[in-house]
Amino acid sequence: DTEVTQTPKHLVMGMTNKKSLKCEQHMGHRAMYWYKQKAKKPPELMFVYSYEKLSINESVPSRFSPECPNSSLLNLHLHALQPEDSALYLCASSLSGGSPDTQYFGPGTRLTVL
Amino acid sequence: TQLLEQSPQFLSIQEGENLTVYCNSSSVFSSLQWYRQEPGEGPVLLVTVVTGGEVKKLKRLTFQFGDARKDSSLHITAAQTGDTGLYLCAGRGYSGGGADGLTFGKGTHLIIQP
Repeated sequence: DTEVTQTPKHLVMGMTNKKSLKCEQHMGHRAMYWYKQKAKKPPELMFVYSYEKLSINESVPSRFSPECPNSSLLNLHLHALQPEDSALYLCASSLSGGSPDTQYFGPGTRLTVL
Repeated sequence: TQLLEQSPQFLSIQEGENLTVYCNSSSVFSSLQWYRQEPGEGPVLLVTVVTGGEVKKLKRLTFQFGDARKDSSLHITAAQTGDTGLYLCAGRGYSGGGADGLTFGKGTHLIIQP
C-alpha cells in the first residue's frame, strides 16, 4: 500500500478565514512534505518534516503554518491567505531520507482564496 | 541550486507512434523519479532509478538513468490514448542522508491522438 490521503479535496476560503489541510499516511514513513503547485507548473517544495521535526522551510510566508502531530499525520494551517495562494497543495511521504527515498504523493487539495 | 531541464514541454502525436522525453541537468542526483499527473490530481509514481546506467522497463515504458546520474529519459513505445497526461521527472540530490525535497523538471504535456 503506497497511499497518502489528503482532506479536503477542494477548499474555498476568504482572506480572513482560518482553515487547515490534512494529510495522512500509514506506510511507516518518517519523512513528510508539503508542495505547492500552480496551474501548468511543476510542484514546488514548501516544507519537509523528518521524524516529526521541521527540517526544511523553503522561505514560506508565515501565513502557512505546518504541524506534524505524529508520524502519520501532517497538517498545514492557513491564515490570512492571498488570492495568489490559490493552488493545488500536495502532501508527500517517504521512508526516512536514505537513498533512494522515493516520495509518494497524495491526491492534493485544490485551494481557492477569494 | 539544482535544475532539471525537461524536454519537450509539449508533445502531440498519433496513437501507435513512439516518443522520448528527456531530463537533463548539470548536477548529479542520488536518484531520479518519473511521475505521471492527471489534471487536478497528485503525481503518481512510475519509476525510481538509482544506479548510473540503469534501465527499467514498465510494459511499453522504458526509463534510463545516465551513467553520470545527471540525465534520464523516458521512452514510450506504441503510444496509446491512455498515455495522455503530464509527465514529470524529479531528482533528489545528496543531502547527507536526511530527507530532502525533490527538484522537478517543468514537465512534458503529452497528448496522444486517436
